[in-house]
Amino acid sequence: DSGVTQTPKHLITATGQRVTLRCSPRSGDLSVYWYQQSLDQGLQFLIQYYNGEERAKGNILERFSAQQFPDLHSELNLSSLELGDSALYFCASSVALAGGQTQYFGPGTRLTVL
Amino acid sequence: AQKITQTQPGMFVQEKEAVTLDCTYDTSDPSYGLFWYKQPSSGEMIFLIYQGSYDQQNATEGRYSLNFQKARKSANLVISASQLGDSAMYFCAMRSTILTGGGNKLTFGTGTQLKVEL
Repeated sequence: DSGVTQTPKHLITATGQRVTLRCSPRSGDLSVYWYQQSLDQGLQFLIQYYNGEERAKGNILERFSAQQFPDLHSELNLSSLELGDSALYFCASSVALAGGQTQYFGPGTRLTVL
Repeated sequence: AQKITQTQPGMFVQEKEAVTLDCTYDTSDPSYGLFWYKQPSSGEMIFLIYQGSYDQQNATEGRYSLNFQKARKSANLVISASQLGDSAMYFCAMRSTILTGGGNKLTFGTGTQLKVEL
């Protein structure tokens, strides 16, 4: 158990809908990262928040947005869902903004868009 | 741009034998980190081992060791005394700093599926 929690574990929804994925980082970690794992694109970095502020952005679609709250939990919002958004979404956390620290991953949320 | 290459899509190893999973990387950053993660069939990503670009010695964590050859830009994972529970997908990843914002990200390879046989 990495100490990172993600809810829900599974999510099944229809095209055009909007969903929210939730992540709680390990105790003491200030950075939260979101990654998407799909069969065709592999594991891709989406976005990083540090202590409530966005600090790094990857291949995140405009239909996706994220935020980190004062209690450091984070939410990833996915809207106007398409079939291709079906994937495993991981949240990871680390202590600091950058440097050599390890990113610990949560168990993931498996999103299925029908 | 950062790139991680894992050329072995699948590997088989006998129980109790050692196995090496290959990873090469490409970056122009002077400072970076290299990680290995294990993903069992249940889906979670489990951190195994970390090597910093300036670390003089190869990293070791129990049965895992990282064979870091900086000049060759390779960071191979060695698993000694393989166990059935080692059967999983293994990902090599590189940490790089994002200049705007000062954050960082991991870039992953495509993974190697390891199967440990009796």
